[in-house]
Amino acid sequence: DAGITQSPRHKVTETGTPVTLRCHQTENHRYMYWYRQDPGHGLRLIHYSYGVKDTDKGEVSDGYSVSRSKTEDFLLTLESATSSQTSVYFCAISESRGEAYNEQFFGPGTRLTVL
Amino acid sequence: DAKTTQPPSMDCAEGRAANLPCNHSTISGNEYVYWYRQIHSQGPQYIIHGLKNNETNEMASLIITEDRKSSTLILPHATLRDTAVYYCIVTGPNRDDKIIFGKGTRLHILP
Repeated sequence: DAGITQSPRHKVTETGTPVTLRCHQTENHRYMYWYRQDPGHGLRLIHYSYGVKDTDKGEVSDGYSVSRSKTEDFLLTLESATSSQTSVYFCAISESRGEAYNEQFFGPGTRLTVL
Repeated sequence: DAKTTQPPSMDCAEGRAANLPCNHSTISGNEYVYWYRQIHSQGPQYIIHGLKNNETNEMASLIITEDRKSSTLILPHATLRDTAVYYCIVTGPNRDDKIIFGKGTRLHILP
């Protein structure tokens, strides 16, 4: 399995609190992604990164920010969590060669509950 | 929106070949067909991808029709651990061509 870890794996928080999820990889892959998965919506892309300090918005980026100061870490921040952000969050990585952009390897996920 | 159509669910007997179909009638000339699967509560897992030739790896085979409007993922000897949701995805070769997960096919392997 690709070396991807996510922390925390589970979190319960209250509406209005800030939350940061961490994705850490040991594969030295250049591209990293954050997705959320909800019943009835499938997996949706939140933000992605093409390298250190190079990030961009995905399909459902409102209410989220990201940072990538090192190749191995990609942080997802909910500045003020809302109940609609209750979800399972997956991080993914891919290489930068050819069509390998879309051979993505996913982490184990973080289950976030916002009360 | 996903550019593919898959049956919502399928059954397959353990030990038999599982053949999962996917229609992608609007596929463009430079777009690839990717397959992922997601076992319950785990992250999605990349399986295989192809452009126009058939492809095989240690997990599966991908058969793409000559007109490229449909494809079939074949798991040659299905086991109970292959029970999962299988996603067929069509996307381009460039880094800005994102993968979009649709509803997929829920494959049940029967003992």
